[in-house]
Amino acid sequence: NAGVTQTPKFQVLKTGQSMTLQCAQDMNHEYMSWYRQDPGMGLRLIHYSVGAGITDQGEVPNGYNVSRSTTEDFPLRLLSAAPSQTSVYFCASSAGTGAYGYTFGSGTRLTVV
Amino acid sequence: DQQVKQNSPSLSVQEGRISILNCDYTNSMFDYFLWYKKYPAEGPTFLISISSIKDKNEDGRFTVFLNKSAKHLSLHIVPSQPGDSAVYFCAASVRTYGNKLVFGAGTILRVKS
Repeated sequence: NAGVTQTPKFQVLKTGQSMTLQCAQDMNHEYMSWYRQDPGMGLRLIHYSVGAGITDQGEVPNGYNVSRSTTEDFPLRLLSAAPSQTSVYFCASSAGTGAYGYTFGSGTRLTVV
Repeated sequence: DQQVKQNSPSLSVQEGRISILNCDYTNSMFDYFLWYKKYPAEGPTFLISISSIKDKNEDGRFTVFLNKSAKHLSLHIVPSQPGDSAVYFCAASVRTYGNKLVFGAGTILRVKS
């Protein structure tokens, strides 16, 4: 059982480039989220989805797009990379709300130069 | 405006002793609280949760206490083991808001053998 799979694990982008961070889960979870982790700031929510075809913005959505065409996949697109987007990105999925803990992927470390 | 705060950046404890990690929150609408553990280069792992209608929840060596009047929760680890050395994140959610988690900045726990 793979859980939540994120690709790539590492990426270096030049300012202005675009790219897509991939996220796939095989647990049939309805809820999926993208977080970024920066030093001293914990994890901040970028975008989330409560099911296929339904997405909404989190705390720090600017510069990112998402779509959810299937239950399994939740890609995160960086439209025009900026140095401020240098971070570690985590995708997570959950079967429900409240006490259901999110299962996190192992992360993508992105550097924008 | 940080809704979830972990005011201790780090904590050092002797093996076998109790580790107490603290978390404060400001949003009285939070109805679930969760603790996550994170090792370097890995995604966070769900540890334990508590509903706002309870004041204590136990799972093996881990106990979470909730004081709603003080808007404070704590995670107790007894006995502490060297393998518990990690970053611990407190998180909170409102069930009706799409299972969005708000994280604290994290506390680094070091368990010395």
